Amino acid sequence: GDSVTQMEGPVTLSEEAFLTINCTYTATGYPSLFWYVQYPGEGLQLLLKATKADDKGSNKGFEATYRKETTSFHLEKGSVQVSDSAVYFCALRVAGTYKYIFGTGTRLKVLA
Amino acid sequence: DADVTQTPRNRITKTGKRIMLECSQTKGHDRMYWYRQDPGLGLRLIYYSFDVKDINKGEISDGYSVSRQAQAKFSLSLESAIPNQTALYFCATSDAASYEQYFGPGTRLTVT
Repeated sequence: GDSVTQMEGPVTLSEEAFLTINCTYTATGYPSLFWYVQYPGEGLQLLLKATKADDKGSNKGFEATYRKETTSFHLEKGSVQVSDSAVYFCALRVAGTYKYIFGTGTRLKVLA
Repeated sequence: DADVTQTPRNRITKTGKRIMLECSQTKGHDRMYWYRQDPGLGLRLIYYSFDVKDINKGEISDGYSVSRQAQAKFSLSLESAIPNQTALYFCATSDAASYEQYFGPGTRLTVT
């Protein structure tokens, strides 16, 4: 069945470091791919999305490219800030359906 | 004001008690969802509703029931709470066109 695998955390970085959080997926058809962010005490917020192969989603300095050949959607940011500390979820929406499948989440901690 | 609200935000209850979690939205979306989040497991879908008369089970519906009182309101009930229902519960909404999901802030439920 369809699934999402993302790297285990926590990931601890110093401010201004480069961030990569890996995400790979297994799916039939052509899913849409998402990154959600969850700040402490809050619900999930959509960070970025990509709906077809080679699309690049970007927002707030974060980027991820839909790579069909490697079934990946890795999240990157060139220079993290303390305010980026949160839990990041990779997710896919099964093609043509309402159904979302979420990864287990990766906690990011950025130190000043 | 938040577009998706959940009440209560925190609840501690005893085994065997009935409890209801409520969700309201002002986004005008037809589709509403209930998820639970457990450490290391990501989010799992409990129930979803595409309109007031359309309610469907998700992957982990056993022990839960729902009620869609109006387009804007979707409640989750635990008829007889048990400790392994201790989790963080999220309500979400989406529109039919984009399927993008918008999450409430969550309800932390503890069953002792």
